[in-house]
Amino acid sequence: GESVGLHLPTLSVQEGDNSIINCAYSNSASDYFIWYKQESGKGPQFIIDIRSNMDKRQGQRVTVLLNKTVKHLSLQIAATQPGDSAVYFCAETYSGYNKLIFGAGTRLAVHP
Amino acid sequence: NAGVMQNPRHLVRRRGQEARLRCSPMKGHSHVYWYRQLPEEGLKFMVYLQKENIIDESGMPKERFSAEFPKEGPSILRIQQVVRGDSAAYFCASSPTGSRNNEQFFGPGTRLTVL
Repeated sequence: GESVGLHLPTLSVQEGDNSIINCAYSNSASDYFIWYKQESGKGPQFIIDIRSNMDKRQGQRVTVLLNKTVKHLSLQIAATQPGDSAVYFCAETYSGYNKLIFGAGTRLAVHP
Repeated sequence: NAGVMQNPRHLVRRRGQEARLRCSPMKGHSHVYWYRQLPEEGLKFMVYLQKENIIDESGMPKERFSAEFPKEGPSILRIQQVVRGDSAAYFCASSPTGSRNNEQFFGPGTRLTVL
């Protein structure tokens, strides 16, 4: 289940289940969105991106959904594995802006 | 092709000292970005540089912080007279010249601890 602690919200799932991580973005002008995975002690690692002219994009075991009406982004991970345990950040930006605006992050904990 | 490199990985300074953080972008990349991350928080943009130019420093504190990306050598983020509140992880990202916008590749970060 999902819980909100003092800091990062945590999503706990069983190995093999599907995970859904949600993100609300702030700027209606944003037209490019990225999901990053950050393992402990490491830098953010690109997972998947989507542009605003799309509603859905699929990668290997991951799918990103974009709902521009409510400014909502989600990351779906199929058949979650222990190696998926990390903090996941969404980031937004718009053409020509260059800098990324990161969300607060969600910790994914995968239990065997 | 080596990724973005940052050094040192860990840096300990006493209050009042200077901290210098280095970032070598990926080969062929001429755009560098610096971000700061406090524990349990997302990354916050600090500064965007191209070779010999600061393009956007809107996220960088006006005092004590400076950044450069010289024609030769790594990008440097310099923090003078460090205070405890500067303790954080500092990440550098780079992007290639002329590629699609905003594809940034991150380094492993420098963890700064101010005693």
